[in-house]
Amino acid sequence: GAGVSQSPSNKVTEKGKDVELRCDPISGHTALYWYRQSLGQGLEFLIYFQGNSAPDKSGLPSDRFSAERTGGSVSTLTIQRTQQEDSAVYLCASSLGTGGAGGNQPQHFGDGTRLSIL
Amino acid sequence: SQQGEEDPQALSIQEGENATMNCSYKTSINNLQWYRQNSGRGLVHLILIRSNEREKHSGRLRVTLDTSKKSSSLLITASRAADTASYFCATDRRFQKLVFGTGTRLLVSP
Repeated sequence: GAGVSQSPSNKVTEKGKDVELRCDPISGHTALYWYRQSLGQGLEFLIYFQGNSAPDKSGLPSDRFSAERTGGSVSTLTIQRTQQEDSAVYLCASSLGTGGAGGNQPQHFGDGTRLSIL
Repeated sequence: SQQGEEDPQALSIQEGENATMNCSYKTSINNLQWYRQNSGRGLVHLILIRSNEREKHSGRLRVTLDTSKKSSSLLITASRAADTASYFCATDRRFQKLVFGTGTRLLVSP
């Protein structure tokens, strides 16, 4: 079956421009996550959506970052007025569920969008 | 702050040798998961071990969990060049989201 799909795979843009990154999760997965990964580093949590609950935005680094998830499926991460320090790989993951008494289900990752700000 | 910290940060071995990576964490957990990331790709889930389990196997992978020491280890036996990747642990606290560690970069040379 189809995995998590992210687009574009690469994005190069000028400082100050806005960018939109898209994530198509696995069908039926209620939880969706966005992470940022700088070269050779670990994952930095940005935001997650769980069903119809309010998203956990605690990882967003500034108000230039926002994300939405429409119809409980596709998600878009938007970065406004991009800065050079926004350059990184942005990873999306989905899972059957998150948190709760039973713990977290394994996450399934897309291959990311490599964002370069000139 | 990161819940899980892997060590070593980098590990270089020859094909056929075993590779051991460790993960330490600070607070009690529900379960612990290990992931692999090949260069330029997303993370792939390898194995999940619950807090009431001590050891789990999957093919050439063996994961142990010591909740008293708040640590886990991932052992890859008879390593292959294709095992070259970064390996991350992720800790799962009750009613919390997964938190990923900083990763171990494994290089397996032919």
